Amino acid sequence: LAKTTQPISMDSYEGQEVNITCSHNNIATNDYITWYQQFPSQGPRFIIQGYKTKVTNEVASLFIPADRKSSTLSLPRVSLSDTAVYYCLVGAIKAAGNKLTFGGGTRVLVKP
Amino acid sequence: GAGVSQSPSNKVTEKGKDVELRCDPISGHTALYWYRQRLGQGLEFLIYFQGNSAPDKSGLPSDRFSAERTGESVSTLTIQRTQQEDSAVYLCASSFYEGVQAFFGQGTRLTVV
Repeated sequence: LAKTTQPISMDSYEGQEVNITCSHNNIATNDYITWYQQFPSQGPRFIIQGYKTKVTNEVASLFIPADRKSSTLSLPRVSLSDTAVYYCLVGAIKAAGNKLTFGGGTRVLVKP
Repeated sequence: GAGVSQSPSNKVTEKGKDVELRCDPISGHTALYWYRQRLGQGLEFLIYFQGNSAPDKSGLPSDRFSAERTGESVSTLTIQRTQQEDSAVYLCASSFYEGVQAFFGQGTRLTVV
């Protein structure tokens, strides 16, 4: 599985856009990029998944450049409740052997 | 059920005792994952099941840890002769297939005293 690298922590303020970049230099052709969010004392929650270019849903956007060696999760106009740890994962889908490995994540603190 | 259910939600046990943690995945989900999360740390992969077979047990920390799954249903994680370093939240997740959106339970908080 491709290894991921993301910042340990980020601070932001309410109403700002937060962008978290994840590096995955050895991503394989069949790999997808998936982001999860984890609040304290809860299990992680799926945010978004993509393969290339841009994916958007009601929560976030995911930007993936053509070489797919990195990706950026964008959270628009964050609120205090977006304070959480965000995990970037890379792996094939519907494929045996994807054991859904989580790295250290990025701890995002949203300040008033 | 509507989501992944884990029981018990909290467990306090004495060092040296055996514990069983249960995970009920979402109906129809073929993939099931177990993780350990120590306080302030990330998720440590333990084992995953595809159906009732476990293709990858590489994350189990020692032979005191074992897991089973009945068909594509409930899974049990057993820790024998618990040690204080086993204290953590144990999380279970399930998904239709490997790699697609996984749904997590609320976890079992294990405290070994």
